Amino acid sequence: DVKVTQSSRYLVKRTGEKVFLECVQDMDHENMFWYRQDPGLGLRLIYFSYDVKMKEKGDIPEGYSVSREKKERFSLILESASTNQTSMYLCASSTNTDTQYFGPGTRLTVL
Amino acid sequence: QKEVEQNSGPLSVPEGAIASLNCTYSDRVSQSFFWYRQYSGKSPELIMSIYSNGDKEDGRFTAQLNKASQYVSLLIRDSQPSDSATYLCAVRNYGQNFVFGPGTRLSVLP
Repeated sequence: DVKVTQSSRYLVKRTGEKVFLECVQDMDHENMFWYRQDPGLGLRLIYFSYDVKMKEKGDIPEGYSVSREKKERFSLILESASTNQTSMYLCASSTNTDTQYFGPGTRLTVL
Repeated sequence: QKEVEQNSGPLSVPEGAIASLNCTYSDRVSQSFFWYRQYSGKSPELIMSIYSNGDKEDGRFTAQLNKASQYVSLLIRDSQPSDSATYLCAVRNYGQNFVFGPGTRLSVLP
C-alpha cells in the first residue's frame, strides 16, 4: 500500500513564526505536491516537485517555499506565518502516470 | 485556464438508491480521470481511475468517461449512509499536474 505521512495532524503557531510541514512517501514516487484546502475554495495547489531539488509554483505560492532534498521527502515552509494561512494542508505523491495519493493532512491554526 | 466543474450539491439520495455524480472538464488533451471520496476532516482517498471511453466498474462503483463530450461520471449503486461524503473529480493531462473540481457533497438518507 502507498503510504504518505505528514509530520503533524494538528499544529498551532503564532503570527510571524516560521513553520515547517514535513511530508514523506514510501513508494519511490517521482512527484510530490502540497495543497491547501479551505471551505468553499476546494483544493488549491501551492507547490509541486517532479524530481529531487526541483520545484514548480502552483496556483498560490505566495508566502510559501518548499524543499526537496531527498526523493521521499517534501517540505513546505511558511517563512512568516500569517492568520490567513490557517488551513488544512495536504501533501500528495504520484508517479508520472498514475494517480495521486494523499497524506492525512495537517490542520494548521495561526493565532 | 484548465477547469473541472462539478455540481456542489448537496445531492441527497435515499439508502439503496443509485447516486449519480457528474463532472465536466475543459482541457481536451486530458488523459486520466479520477474520483476521490473525502469525509469531513479527512484527506481524499481514491475510489476509481479511468483512462479510456466507456464504463469501468468496481464493486458498487461505476465510472463513465466520454471524451468527446468532456464528461466523466460516477455511479454509486445501492447507496449506503457511509457513502455520505464529498466526491472530488480530478483530471490529469500529459503534464505532472492534477486539476481538481470543487467537489459534490453527497448525503445518503437512511
